[in-house]
Amino acid sequence: ETGVTQTPRHLVMGMTNKKSLKCEQHLGHNAMYWYKQSAKKPLELMFVYNFKEQTENNSVPSRFSPECPNSSHLFLHLHTLQPEDSALYLCASSPYADSPTDTQYFGPGTRLTVL
Amino acid sequence: EDQVTQSPEALRLQEGESSSLNCSYTVSGLRGLFWYRQDPGKGPEFLFTLYSAGEEKEKERLKATLTKKESFLHITAPKPEDSATYLCAVRASNYQLIWGAGTKLIIKP
Repeated sequence: ETGVTQTPRHLVMGMTNKKSLKCEQHLGHNAMYWYKQSAKKPLELMFVYNFKEQTENNSVPSRFSPECPNSSHLFLHLHTLQPEDSALYLCASSPYADSPTDTQYFGPGTRLTVL
Repeated sequence: EDQVTQSPEALRLQEGESSSLNCSYTVSGLRGLFWYRQDPGKGPEFLFTLYSAGEEKEKERLKATLTKKESFLHITAPKPEDSATYLCAVRASNYQLIWGAGTKLIIKP
């Protein structure tokens, strides 16, 4: 595996389900990110982890719960979601979260549909 | 407030017809402007980073330029495989990226 991988690629869940999204980066980076992408809207930053520590939480509802066990893996635990949470969820990584020159590299995303 | 605006929202061109996409921004303390390409069902793919006004970068048929208020992505003699959504983002003073909504580019053969 190379780059940033995400599983599953597609997920359909009911409003009462609990599911998790997984992201793994094979780039040796120290920072990882979760973004939400809705149609015709800018990417919304959800969470940032730098060296496994959460450094940003952009007012994300508590029904989204991130977990970063090490610098290579990132999870997004989902529970009691709403239909408006349906979107493409993107994971990204970069060498550091606070560098002025680093580039973020993205995974393919998980297409989430909440019924 | 930091903000990024991309125009047009969508652009249809004939193969070989050159054009430009615009990304205008307001940000306190620009720490870089990024261009990405996104194909349907995929994550954004990095293209360029620009750091200062007057800087230019090229890659195949694409050239990105930067002024103090905006960036342009020039596409010369595009091919159908250049069809994608092009995203612009600026790095703010807190190092996070502020994104535009993208320009969907369609190149007809």
